[in-house]
Amino acid sequence: DAMVIQNPRYQVTQFGKPVTLSCSQTLNHNVMYWYQQKSSQAPKLLFHYYDKDFNNEADTPDNFQSRRPNTSFCFLDIRSPGLGDAAMYLCATSRVGQGFREETQYFGPGTRLLVL
Amino acid sequence: AQKVTQAQTEISVVEKEDVTLDCVYETRDTTYYLFWYKQPPSGELVFLIRRNSFDEQNEISGRYSWNFQKSTSSFNFTITASQVVDSAVYFCALSEAIIGGYNKLIFGAGTRLAVHP
Repeated sequence: DAMVIQNPRYQVTQFGKPVTLSCSQTLNHNVMYWYQQKSSQAPKLLFHYYDKDFNNEADTPDNFQSRRPNTSFCFLDIRSPGLGDAAMYLCATSRVGQGFREETQYFGPGTRLLVL
Repeated sequence: AQKVTQAQTEISVVEKEDVTLDCVYETRDTTYYLFWYKQPPSGELVFLIRRNSFDEQNEISGRYSWNFQKSTSSFNFTITASQVVDSAVYFCALSEAIIGGYNKLIFGAGTRLAVHP
């Protein structure tokens, strides 16, 4: 089945130690998103890629970076995790084509990040 | 500014009861999309439905139904004969057009539904 996969499902890191979360998709979607979701809150968009074009949300901290080496994979790098970065990180994908405005975002299972 | 309001923070029902989750939105766009997602305890956001602003037909899918009313800017979700497996957080979302023709989702705060046996 076509899907969005996130690894690992749970990640424990130390304060200040860089960590990378990964997302892959078999949907062949051209847009990939990273969201941060803290406990009892709605998902918050960090950034997204439209093909290779990177789009950062204005309030996303510089501590968060992303890479998309190809259509299928996208990575979230947290350069120096703080205690406040403990959250669920959700990857989503969607398809947008020329003249095709509507889209549905399909989400992966998420990675729960714990910062010690 | 676009906004989605889910006024019900938590709802608790007994199995087999019907339950309606409210969603009210604000937008200046004439063309927009509304979504419902389910987030069970495992954490994955599961897509339930998408509705565009030109289609006000109500939709039914099994025990789920959605009532879209542009006049009141509402997109409510009803679960008939609720089951324990329906326990989850439900998010209503609105698509916001962004440069390039693709959309950013504006989420409501979510409604936590607890269905008890």
